[in-house]
Amino acid sequence: SQTIHQWPATLVQPVGSPLSLECTVEGTSNPNLYWYRQAAGRGLQLLFYSVGIGQISSEVPQNLSASRPQDRQFILSSKKLLLSDSGFYLCAYSGQPNTEAFFGQGTRLTVV
Amino acid sequence: GENVEQHPSTLSVQEGDSAVIKCTYSDSASNYFPWYKQELGKGSQLIIDIRSNVGEKKDQRIAVTLNKTAKHFSLHITETQPEDSAVYFCAARDSWGKLQFGAGTQVVVTP
Repeated sequence: SQTIHQWPATLVQPVGSPLSLECTVEGTSNPNLYWYRQAAGRGLQLLFYSVGIGQISSEVPQNLSASRPQDRQFILSSKKLLLSDSGFYLCAYSGQPNTEAFFGQGTRLTVV
Repeated sequence: GENVEQHPSTLSVQEGDSAVIKCTYSDSASNYFPWYKQELGKGSQLIIDIRSNVGEKKDQRIAVTLNKTAKHFSLHITETQPEDSAVYFCAARDSWGKLQFGAGTQVVVTP
């Protein structure tokens, strides 16, 4: 069966520290992978999406970057966190051909 | 790029009444339109979806309609129940796989 793992679930980081959130998918090959951020009381903002290894599309200019070192691994990173990076980050994937997207459980990031 | 707008942002309905949420999209190349329900502690779950070659799809009390010409699609929930209270998100995906979401609608079903 297909599953998605995202960790950690919660994270408190000081301003200026680096960030690495990891997402892995099992049970499917060459998935589309997505990183979203959901601010409190707001919708899901697409940050990055990837249709293959090393292929990353950035949707909004920001302090974050994404990488896909393996087919089923998607990493969200930052070299120096800002207060404004606080939020709820969700990883998602969809199989090939384009089908339903499944979400990870999310990471609650608080930058202090 | 794709821009998805969703209305209303909040919707309060009496139990048993119908709820309708509307979304518009900008990219005519979008071909897949899912709806997600987000509940506290349960994450986001797909409740229904529709592809661009279909005008309407129904699953029990939930239905989705798509108007490709006008580039809008709607979620209809009939005979609402308290467990329908949640945040609902529409989304649109283009042929490249990019999946954009609307801002969400907080639905509150009052007994």
